[in-house]
Parts: sequence; C-alpha cells; structure tokens
Amino acid sequence: QSALTQPASVSGSPGQSITISCTGTRSDIGGYKYVSWYQQHPGKAPKLMIYDVSNRPSGVSNRFSGSKSGNTASLTISGLQADDEADYYCSSYTSSSTLVFGGGTKVTVL
Amino acid sequence: QVQLVQSGSELQKPGASVKVSCKTSGYTFSRYPLTWVRRAPGQDLEWLGWINTNTGNPTYAQGLTGRFVLSLDTSVSTAYLQISGLKAEDTAVYYCARAPFGENYLDYWGQGTLVTVSS
Repeated sequence: QSALTQPASVSGSPGQSITISCTGTRSDIGGYKYVSWYQQHPGKAPKLMIYDVSNRPSGVSNRFSGSKSGNTASLTISGLQADDEADYYCSSYTSSSTLVFGGGTKVTVL
Repeated sequence: QVQLVQSGSELQKPGASVKVSCKTSGYTFSRYPLTWVRRAPGQDLEWLGWINTNTGNPTYAQGLTGRFVLSLDTSVSTAYLQISGLKAEDTAVYYCARAPFGENYLDYWGQGTLVTVSS
C-alpha cells in the first residue's frame, strides 16, 4: 500500500486539462506545505515539476500547476501535449522528518 | 549544468555487498545535501536517507538496518550508498537526488542504478 495514494492512470486528449490527485494524511500532506511533484519519462531520471505545493522551478512550463486542500494535493496539466505522457509522482514531507512518495500515475495522451 | 551521474547496474548474490556511486558536477558539492531513494519492483519510491555534504553526517530512514551506509568523497564530488548483506528484497533501482538545503524537495536526480540480488 502506498504511503500517498495516486490514481494508477489518467488520460486526456491533446489540448485538454487533466488533474492528478495525491492523498495522504495530516501527518504528511495535511500538515505541511511541502508537496512536490516529479515527472519521469521511461528510462530517464525524475524531473522536479512542482515544489512547496504550487511553485514551479525555473524552466517548467506554466501549463503545470499544483494545489492542496486538506490531505489531498493535486497536479493539473493544462493544454496537454504529447510530451507530457509520462509517469508522475507526488511526494510530501512528513512528521517523521522524512519524505514519502505516491505510487505514481501514468499519464496517457490519447 | 547540474548533473548527477550514477554507477552502472549491478548483479550481486545474496550476502554480498554493493557500493553505488553518485558523481555530481555543475554546482558546489558541499552546499546541497544528497538524498537516496529506491524503487523496488512493484513498490513505491522509498526514501532511504540523506547525507549532509558539508559535514558528512548521514541520516537514515527509520527502520533501515545498519546494512545501509551513506558516505562521501568530497575530493571528487561523489556520494556513495553501500549495502552489505544483500537480500533479494534489496533488488531495486536506487536513485541519488539533490535537495536544496533546508528544503523538502529534490531538484535534480541521478539516472538510477539497478541493483539485482539473485543467486
């Protein structure tokens, strides 16, 4: 069982918006503003897409946005593009001073 | 540019040891802690711990046995993860990742090292 719960897969057509949820507890997502999201293409290193719930690192498209409500964080990809097809992982700081991750969501561009 | 380059895949027998390296470049090594994460087949990413690249002090995940040791060679800007007494359940892809000091996210990752434990 995942520490953080993500849907196994999400799909959308080019140009559409999709949202990936990430559900934890008040000991992680609910207790801190330290949720991050990572994109991983097959065979590649994970790439930071969002940090501290809603901040984008330099160079990451503004089509990617993050939010949080209670124990659930969300990553929204707007204007879906073919290159967005990848696995996405959420992560949160925890009350044990560790990081926990979600099981990953496979995004498919139809 | 920032790069974290890990050593190649390993195939080891149960009970053996393995040392995975993570060579960094493109930034000041001592300013960014390095975190280690693994993903076993069918499992989630698991945070293993981190090492302070300024002091060399490691912090390990609770429950992680003494079989895991994090270390540094600051002369070559490289971090290491050594696992001794390998077990089949240690089979995983191991990643190193950089964490800005005091922050709770990983801004650059290595490409991963597959460690397979099999007789």
